[in-house]
Amino acid sequence: GENVEQHPSTLSVQEGDSAVIKCTYSDSASNYFPWYKQELGKRPQLIIDIRSNVGEKKDQRIAVTLNKTAKHFSLHITETQPEDSAVYFCAASRGGGGNKLTFGTGTQLKVEL
Amino acid sequence: DTEVTQTPKHLVMGMTNKKSLKCEQHMGHRAMYWYKQKAKKPPELMFVYSYEKLSINESVPSRFSPECPNSSLLNLHLHALQPEDSALYLCASSLSRESRNEQFFGPGTRLTVL
Repeated sequence: GENVEQHPSTLSVQEGDSAVIKCTYSDSASNYFPWYKQELGKRPQLIIDIRSNVGEKKDQRIAVTLNKTAKHFSLHITETQPEDSAVYFCAASRGGGGNKLTFGTGTQLKVEL
Repeated sequence: DTEVTQTPKHLVMGMTNKKSLKCEQHMGHRAMYWYKQKAKKPPELMFVYSYEKLSINESVPSRFSPECPNSSLLNLHLHALQPEDSALYLCASSLSRESRNEQFFGPGTRLTVL
């Protein structure tokens, strides 16, 4: 089955700096890669996703890149703000509805003033 | 309605109790999911329903019994649980298309088994 590794497990940055979280996956058939943000006591919230036919996707301060050859994808957050502090999970799936999402182990991001 | 809702928000039950968790969505999603999440861990898939039929069971113990009465509702029936089953139970839903399969999560039910 799919295995997703995520690094780092914790990340502390100063407000305004950039943050990068990296994930690798094992199943070459995976073609859908979402990122979720989970604040303490809240639901996981989909913040951005990318499909295997695209190398990069950007939404305001958030961007995701995908390298299919190396089987890794990354989340980039620029101009970090205190409200970006949360746990971020990457995930991988073979796509299509009703398919299993395999999550990475999570990154606790702390944005310090 | 663009959200997944779950009830109850919190549930405390003894090991001999029978209880049910409920999930509802009105986004026309035909795939619905149950996840279990322990503290400081990622969500872990339990079950998937696709077009009201159980399509994935991740070898979940039979003390957890899912049910999908219709395309908008998903239940999880609990019986004879163990203290280690205490966790946040998340429901999610998605469309069932190759290019539109984003999963959206409900707020979860925080379950404590005494």
